Amino acid sequence: GNSVTQMEGPVTLSEEAFLTINCTYTATGYPSLFWYVQYPGEGLQLLLKATKADDKGSNKGFEATYRKETTSFHLEKGSVQVSDSAVYFCARHRRQEQGSNYQLIWGAGTKLIIKP
Amino acid sequence: SQTIHQWPATLVQPVGSPLSLECTVEGTSNPNLYWYRQAAGRGLQLLFYSVGIGQISSEVPQNLSASRPQDRQFILSSKKLLLSDSGFYLCAWSPGGPNRYNEQFFGPGTRLTVL
Repeated sequence: GNSVTQMEGPVTLSEEAFLTINCTYTATGYPSLFWYVQYPGEGLQLLLKATKADDKGSNKGFEATYRKETTSFHLEKGSVQVSDSAVYFCARHRRQEQGSNYQLIWGAGTKLIIKP
Repeated sequence: SQTIHQWPATLVQPVGSPLSLECTVEGTSNPNLYWYRQAAGRGLQLLFYSVGIGQISSEVPQNLSASRPQDRQFILSSKKLLLSDSGFYLCAWSPGGPNRYNEQFFGPGTRLTVL
């Protein structure tokens, strides 16, 4: 397999709620993993990344841990704000053997809506 | 620091008209460059990527084409637009060479509406 699977959205939460957006991947090996965020009408911004198993990426209160046992990279935040409303994309690197190691494989994106 | 620019920001074109979208990167050399399309409410579709001047790889057959006339310039073109070409077009770059496993950095995007 060669894919990244994210939980379907939209995910709707109240302000200050705990957030989890699930992401799982299929790969033979340990590719670098990423979370990107896209605010309405804008391009994508890198939110955080992890380059090896058990690494934890963190930024702006968001965290994700590279879990090789479960091939997962779930995004979490302890207390969300209205300004976190956006679309979140999970991605991983392709492997070198496929001749496209500089490409990313993308999840479908998860829309997050935070209500005040 | 590196920056990436795209223009125009928005574009409304009639069916059958030509298209030219431009992307430029500043502050880096020999980047890998990418064109993505994002349909409304959908994920990212890689259209083209380039690892050097004049080197273009196409991921999806379509009526679009890409060119890289200079190291840090990437152009997306079409001779005749279709309604299905409407979408949000994103350009991205990543470091070339030994840092090829690094993340991609995105421009602000171009919103294209074909009527």
